[in-house]
Amino acid sequence: GAGVSQSPSNKVTEKGKDVELRCDPISGHTALYWYRQSLGQGLEFLIYFQGNSAPDKSGLPSDRFSAERTGGSVSTLTIQRTQQEDSAVYLCASSFNGGNGNTIYFGEGSWLTVV
Amino acid sequence: AQSVTQLGSHVSVSEGALVLLRCNYSSSVPPYLFWYVQYPNQGLQLLLKYTTGATLVKGINGFEAEFKKSETSFHLTKPSAHMSDAAEYFCAVNAYNQGGKLIFGQGTELSVKP
Repeated sequence: GAGVSQSPSNKVTEKGKDVELRCDPISGHTALYWYRQSLGQGLEFLIYFQGNSAPDKSGLPSDRFSAERTGGSVSTLTIQRTQQEDSAVYLCASSFNGGNGNTIYFGEGSWLTVV
Repeated sequence: AQSVTQLGSHVSVSEGALVLLRCNYSSSVPPYLFWYVQYPNQGLQLLLKYTTGATLVKGINGFEAEFKKSETSFHLTKPSAHMSDAAEYFCAVNAYNQGGKLIFGQGTELSVKP
């Protein structure tokens, strides 16, 4: 596709379950980002992948959150033992090359509800 | 460390009036600055960005912003608001030595009254 693709678009899960959110970046983009947007909150940085470099995980809120990027393309964000406060929209984004003022393109998001 | 402050979580203007959304940043090194717009139930779309060169930047939908280093500001303006401009607007900063990470402000919700 032409844009950043995320799945699922909506996910309802029970507290304590694990969830996986998938992101397919724009072809050729070496940088990939995950952000979280909670109701009434701004955009919270979670993690950033750039090529083969070690990811910047400085925004992950707890060790229940992890992400991987396989083959420099698709990424999966995993939340273990979900809590109600994890309910949010999880946004994936990609850019041609991280930094240097390159435009970051966002997907439509995965809306997670923990009940 | 970088940070972004957007003054006013909600701004309301009348159709045809000037739109002014304020953004101030903190960065110890020259920044790259961005404005994104988010329409209801949609992802973020780039409005405009400042990297280098001309400090007055024009973007889509008639918006523009001016980088003022002395004021550490990057305010967004539009001369005449349209109903279709109602959305949430986010200012963001990326310092060139901080990798590609964008730090966002809290957002400003713009309402346009008929």
